[in-house]
Amino acid sequence: NAGVTQTPKFRVLKTGQSMTLLCAQDMNHEYMYWYRQDPGMGLRLIHYSVGEGTTAKGEVPDGYNVSRLKKQNFLLGLESAAPSQTSVYFCASSFLTRAFFGQGTRLTVV
Amino acid sequence: DQQVKQNSPSLSVQEGRISILNCDYTNSMFDYFLWYKKYPAEGPTFLISISSIKDKNEDGRFTVFLNKSAKHLSLHIVPSQPGDSAVYFCAASARKTSYDKVIFGPGTSLSVIP
Repeated sequence: NAGVTQTPKFRVLKTGQSMTLLCAQDMNHEYMYWYRQDPGMGLRLIHYSVGEGTTAKGEVPDGYNVSRLKKQNFLLGLESAAPSQTSVYFCASSFLTRAFFGQGTRLTVV
Repeated sequence: DQQVKQNSPSLSVQEGRISILNCDYTNSMFDYFLWYKKYPAEGPTFLISISSIKDKNEDGRFTVFLNKSAKHLSLHIVPSQPGDSAVYFCAASARKTSYDKVIFGPGTSLSVIP
């Protein structure tokens, strides 16, 4: 009963490096999301997808790219990491507005 | 400009007493509201929701009240238990216009003291 799985759980990057965060869900949900959580800011939507092959920008999309080549996977890419992207990243999938979240990825950019 | 506000960053309550967590929103298009609970090192989990056609929804110890005219909702936990200690996020969605977007508030950290 995996639900939503995020990899990796922790990562430290140097400024300018790139990386991809992987999200996988086994609930056959159409909608998937990437959020970042920062102190006092709640969960802010980065990008989301309403189905395989679709992506859309959320509240804070700059510096990130996403891809949804398969329905069960939603990838978040950082092309050139910046210290401002230090955060905890959560992936979620949803059905009828109810979201199911992964455990999060703690990313530190130094 | 935050569309969903939780003005109390933290709240402490004695075990057995009532916990009241508040949430205000600014977008009159929001028609569906949710509360999520988050423990450290875990992702948020759904707790309870309410549609704008209702003013109250109850699930066990948890009750959510919605006051549309004041654009305010609250989560009541009665009685509070130590296991309720967590961060609570209020969230809102405009399902008629944007079914897929859920906007979260900054969260309130609840501590239930034994």
